[in-house]
Amino acid sequence: DSGVTQTPKHLITATGQRVTLRCSPRSGDLSVYWYQQSLDQGLQFLIQYYNGEERAKGNILERFSAQQFPDLHSELNLSSLELGDSALYFCASSVGGGDVNEQFFGPGTRLTVL
Amino acid sequence: GQNIDQPTEMTATEGAIVQINCTYQTSGFNGLFWYQQHAGEAPTFLSYNVLDGLEEKGRFSSFLSRSKGYSYLLLKELQMKDSASYLCAVLDSNYQLIWGAGTKLIIKP
Repeated sequence: DSGVTQTPKHLITATGQRVTLRCSPRSGDLSVYWYQQSLDQGLQFLIQYYNGEERAKGNILERFSAQQFPDLHSELNLSSLELGDSALYFCASSVGGGDVNEQFFGPGTRLTVL
Repeated sequence: GQNIDQPTEMTATEGAIVQINCTYQTSGFNGLFWYQQHAGEAPTFLSYNVLDGLEEKGRFSSFLSRSKGYSYLLLKELQMKDSASYLCAVLDSNYQLIWGAGTKLIIKP
């Protein structure tokens, strides 16, 4: 158990819908990262928040947005969903904002868009 | 651009040794990570190298050559549970982690 929690575990929805994925980082970690992993693909970095502020942006679509709240939990919002958005979405946390510490990954949310 | 290359897939035999290579071209370098990921599960940290040389941790070792932009992960005494994907990731000059696509390792009895 990494100490990072993600909800829900599974999500099934239809094209055009909007969903929200939630992540709680490890106690004491200030950074939250979101990743997308499609079937048999590598990890695609989406976005990083550090202590409530956006720190880095990766290949995040305009239909996707995220935020980190004062209690440091984070939410990833996916809207106008398409079939291709079906994937595992991982959240990870680390101590610093841009540091050499390892990232701890949550168990992921499996999103299926029908 | 930034690039990390790893073999897509490798096969090895239980009890043997396997070396998974990773080459990188990034804007700056602040260290290289190896993560293990079992299918459908979250990646877990294996090692971090920032200086040249070999770091050994039980059955797993990781090597780095910064001048060559090269690293490898060495797995000894392979067990069936080592069947997984192995992800190489480099921390660039902005301390952003650049991920490779991963190497799927298949262990045969």
